[in-house]
Amino acid sequence: DGGITQSPKYLFRKEGQNVTLSCEQNLNHDAMYWYRQDPGQGLRLIYYSQIVNDFQKGDIAEGYSVSREKKESFPLTVTSAQKNPTAFYLCASSMVGARNTIYFGEGSWLTVV
Amino acid sequence: AQSVAQPEDQVNVAEGNPLTVKCTYSVSGNPYLFWYVQYPNRGLQFLLKYITGDNLVKGSYGFEAEFNKSQTSFHLKKPSALVSDSALYFCAVSSTGGGNKLTFGTGTQLKVEL
Repeated sequence: DGGITQSPKYLFRKEGQNVTLSCEQNLNHDAMYWYRQDPGQGLRLIYYSQIVNDFQKGDIAEGYSVSREKKESFPLTVTSAQKNPTAFYLCASSMVGARNTIYFGEGSWLTVV
Repeated sequence: AQSVAQPEDQVNVAEGNPLTVKCTYSVSGNPYLFWYVQYPNRGLQFLLKYITGDNLVKGSYGFEAEFNKSQTSFHLKKPSALVSDSALYFCAVSSTGGGNKLTFGTGTQLKVEL
């Protein structure tokens, strides 16, 4: 199947721990993104990458980190510095260019306990 | 900076009636407009987009949207709603001046009742 795979679907974290969310795509897309979704706030961009070994901060990058070592993979680490990490996290990918459609994975729920 | 407004948190419509979900936008440069649908605990599914050309765009599942440049709007419509259309709908915009970044509205919950 072609698409974007996020794992795990549900993740629980203790305060003070770092966690990494996985995102893999086999669509041959150059650009990849991480969004955070909170109720009533829509989606907010955390980080994005348009090419391997390069990425840019989005609107809410504080407390998060990413890497882009392979075209297919764009993992997101939620660090202990993120004050309110409980949220639904969505990975997405697209061809580079503002007119190209961005496609989304199924999302990962992170809960801090 | 680009932005999107979805003025209605929730829209209720009876099955078989037409539905409209409203969206207005603000960008510098040419806008590229998108509609997505989200079912509970799922990712976003692409419905349709406006890039250029005909102002009426047709998309998946019988949805369509009309681009109105003078009113900076891109309302989503469907002639006859189904109960299965009940979901959360997001409007989004990117632009020639904004790179490849999509900016989303806050979403509109559509509820179609029998």
